[in-house]
Amino acid sequence: NAGVMQNPRHLVRRRGQEARLRCSPMKGHSHVYWYRQLPEEGLKFMVYLQKENIIDESGMPKERFSAEFPKEGPSILRIQQVVRGDSAAYFCASSPEVGFNEKLFFGSGTQLSVL
Amino acid sequence: AQKITQTQPGMFVQEKEAVTLDCTYDTSDPSYGLFWYKQPSSGEMIFLIYQGSYDQQNATEGRYSLNFQKARKSANLVISASQLGDSAMYFCAMREWTTGNQFYFGTGTSLTVIP
Repeated sequence: NAGVMQNPRHLVRRRGQEARLRCSPMKGHSHVYWYRQLPEEGLKFMVYLQKENIIDESGMPKERFSAEFPKEGPSILRIQQVVRGDSAAYFCASSPEVGFNEKLFFGSGTQLSVL
Repeated sequence: AQKITQTQPGMFVQEKEAVTLDCTYDTSDPSYGLFWYKQPSSGEMIFLIYQGSYDQQNATEGRYSLNFQKARKSANLVISASQLGDSAMYFCAMREWTTGNQFYFGTGTSLTVIP
């Protein structure tokens, strides 16, 4: 049973380019979360999605960032016109249900570097 | 106010000794869960242990135990018989019933095990 799969592991972009980060949740998990981690900091919530629906995007910057979780295929976090401040590790996590006792299963993260 | 506070940026422990990593939390929700994750230098987030707000006993998982003091709102992680492979970042996290979408993470504690 494969875990949460994220790709690429490392992504290098120049300022102004687009970054696309992919996440395939664990089999049977329909709840996907994206987190951002800056150096020496904890994880900051960005967005929570279920299949074809954005449930909570309160942690997502209002501009340039978008996320989707289509009926078929992986969840995508898209960053348009990247800036140096977007450089960070982006983690995807999934869970089978939503509840205060449900742990999150994390992927290995995508390290985005903006030149 | 911070939901999760980890006041120890870095800790050192001698191999085979026990170490306690501190975590305090802030919530008015009577239903919540507390989690500890380990992040080794490779970057992945590894779930260690869970404690529910209604659990009467402290959680234990192998060498990991959680010292849960509800009145003080603390959920300290105790690692017994430290091993070199325990060197990593450790994050405390909380999930509430009312805001179940979100996992709140602390800023982490860097643990170094000394041979």
